[in-house]
Amino acid sequence: GIQVEQSPPDLILQEGANSTLRCNFSDSVNNLQWFHQNPWGQLINLFYIPSGTKQNGRLSATTVATERYSLLYISSSQTTDSGVYFCAVERERDDKIIFGKGTRLHILP
Amino acid sequence: EAQVTQNPRYLITVTGKKLTVTCSQNMNHEYMSWYRQDPGLGLRQIYYSMNVEVTDKGDVPEGYKVSRKEKRNFPLILESPSPNQTSLYFCASSLYRHSPLHFGNGTRLTVT
Repeated sequence: GIQVEQSPPDLILQEGANSTLRCNFSDSVNNLQWFHQNPWGQLINLFYIPSGTKQNGRLSATTVATERYSLLYISSSQTTDSGVYFCAVERERDDKIIFGKGTRLHILP
Repeated sequence: EAQVTQNPRYLITVTGKKLTVTCSQNMNHEYMSWYRQDPGLGLRQIYYSMNVEVTDKGDVPEGYKVSRKEKRNFPLILESPSPNQTSLYFCASSLYRHSPLHFGNGTRLTVT
């Protein structure tokens, strides 16, 4: 089946730093989404981005579907950015949604 | 307030005792789905539904049932729970299939 790989698995940064999270997928997909799971376990949708680039405040995302990857950029990190970031793809061949294993981000004050 | 509501938030039960986790959304979404989250495995899709009376298996459907009799509700049924179904469960919905997913707050299930 499709492989969804996220890197790095863990990231520790000082407040104010910038970061880039990567999501690679091995097969054709209908769409791709990025989520943030906060320390209380809530999953928040950050971007629905099947292709192209989107920005929302300090966060932006780019998906290059033809090369099967997506990037999430976080600028000027804040402690509230801590948590786990997941990407999820919808498999083109059967519409099932597959999540990556996530990147755990810890922002130090 | 637009939301996906799951109940209960926490549930401890014993092997073999049937249980239902409810999921309701007030956004008139067509698409609803269930996931389980386990350490080291991430989130895995259990079942999904594209509309009323239409349900399909996700990647890990064994041991679970679902129904979609009304647009707003999508309950997850464990007819004979086993300890390997101890997990954190999430329900999610979206306006239609190709649109952003919105998650409920999760249900932590322990089966002893």
